[in-house]
Amino acid sequence: EVQLVESGGGLVQPGGSLKLSCAASGFTFSSYGMSWVRQTPDKRLELVATINSNGGSTYYPDSVKGRFTISRDNAKNTLYLQMSSLKSEDTAMYYCARDITTFAYWGQGTLVTVSA
Amino acid sequence: DIKMTQSPSSMYASLGERVTITCKASQDINSYLSWFQQKPGKSPKTLIYRANRLVDGVPSRFSGSGSGQDYSLTISSLEYEDMGIYYCLQYDEFPPTFGGGTKLEIK
Repeated sequence: EVQLVESGGGLVQPGGSLKLSCAASGFTFSSYGMSWVRQTPDKRLELVATINSNGGSTYYPDSVKGRFTISRDNAKNTLYLQMSSLKSEDTAMYYCARDITTFAYWGQGTLVTVSA
Repeated sequence: DIKMTQSPSSMYASLGERVTITCKASQDINSYLSWFQQKPGKSPKTLIYRANRLVDGVPSRFSGSGSGQDYSLTISSLEYEDMGIYYCLQYDEFPPTFGGGTKLEIK
């Protein structure tokens, strides 16, 4: 059974940093691209980062480019999202998802709140 | 990026009613469209992919159709457990993009 378990969310001040993790199991992690998708308080879904299977290619939308970094450790079956210079508009539930196009499987999410 | 316009944004429907949600892409997406269901407090779950292919285990009252720019999700007979938010996703062109969602509530 595919399982994705996110962690690392919390309350952070504007301008602060946070690192999210996603532990994967139930599939060959190193064979799949992975993504982070966030759901804003008004329930919009937004892709925030993707990474290919070997970590050699990444994508970020303009809204997070230069502030967020996606990475992975295939030996540990774990996906990461390093977030810095956080803004109030980054407040959202952050999900990791398997693959970079169809998002066939999602984790349960971890909540990030950016507020003073 | 391809823009996905989903409608309605919210709706009320009665148990047993036929429900249809639509998504219009800003360009032809060649049926590379998925539908997700998100129940309260849960993560999104794929119902349909490639516009009309039902994921294993999804009830047959759900169906998808469409081509080109226009797609729809139909629930043939609404059940209480179908309450939630529905999203479309195009993956014909990178980056994949979501519709704005449809909140479905029981009347």
